[in-house]
Amino acid sequence: TQLLEQSPQFLSIQEGENLTVYCNSSSVFSSLQWYRQEPGEGPVLLVTVVTGGEVKKLKRLTFQFGDARKDSSLHITAAQPGDTGLYLCAAEVGGTSYGKLTFGQGTILTVHP
Amino acid sequence: NAGVMQNPRHLVRRRGQEARLRCSPMKGHSHVYWYRQLPEEGLKFMVYLQKENIIDESGMPKERFSAEFPKEGPSILRIQQVVRGDSAAYFCASSPSDRSFYGYTFGSGTRLTVV
Repeated sequence: TQLLEQSPQFLSIQEGENLTVYCNSSSVFSSLQWYRQEPGEGPVLLVTVVTGGEVKKLKRLTFQFGDARKDSSLHITAAQPGDTGLYLCAAEVGGTSYGKLTFGQGTILTVHP
Repeated sequence: NAGVMQNPRHLVRRRGQEARLRCSPMKGHSHVYWYRQLPEEGLKFMVYLQKENIIDESGMPKERFSAEFPKEGPSILRIQQVVRGDSAAYFCASSPSDRSFYGYTFGSGTRLTVV
């Protein structure tokens, strides 16, 4: 059983479409991060959300942290081929688990021109 | 302003050999983490180190794997007597603090292939 469940696992869309990726858990997190990983490279941090209900925008990307701090979503508006990649959510469980990130399985996004 | 530097990028080892993976954290970062990415399992935490200290090694296999972060020089992840199942991408991350909301910076990884 995954601590962080991401859905969907695969997403194939046309340029210009909107999409949402979900990251769900039954655990409460002190913070949650979203990363993007391209083939042959390491994950690159997109955003960290800390407060329940928080919404952060990064150009066409909107990140939301659930009120109960158990789930998060990533919404991309007008997707572009350059958005193609593996999107990962990650979190520390909390307490004394500093530095120990748990990752979701990831969502592989393909945006076709 | 170099990021997290990992080398080598690719490493091929025969079964039974030793693999040494190196990681130099970002300037000013004193916290180093190692993760392993297997195709079917995703990214998994292995070990968290500060200079000369192992803070959390709960994700490290009990045998053949060891990690260090000496006072001088890079962090080293060492795998002795490699087996085919050790083939994976190994990523190092660093941070200026132990609190995740400052973010982690990952290196480009070392892809280990055991033949």
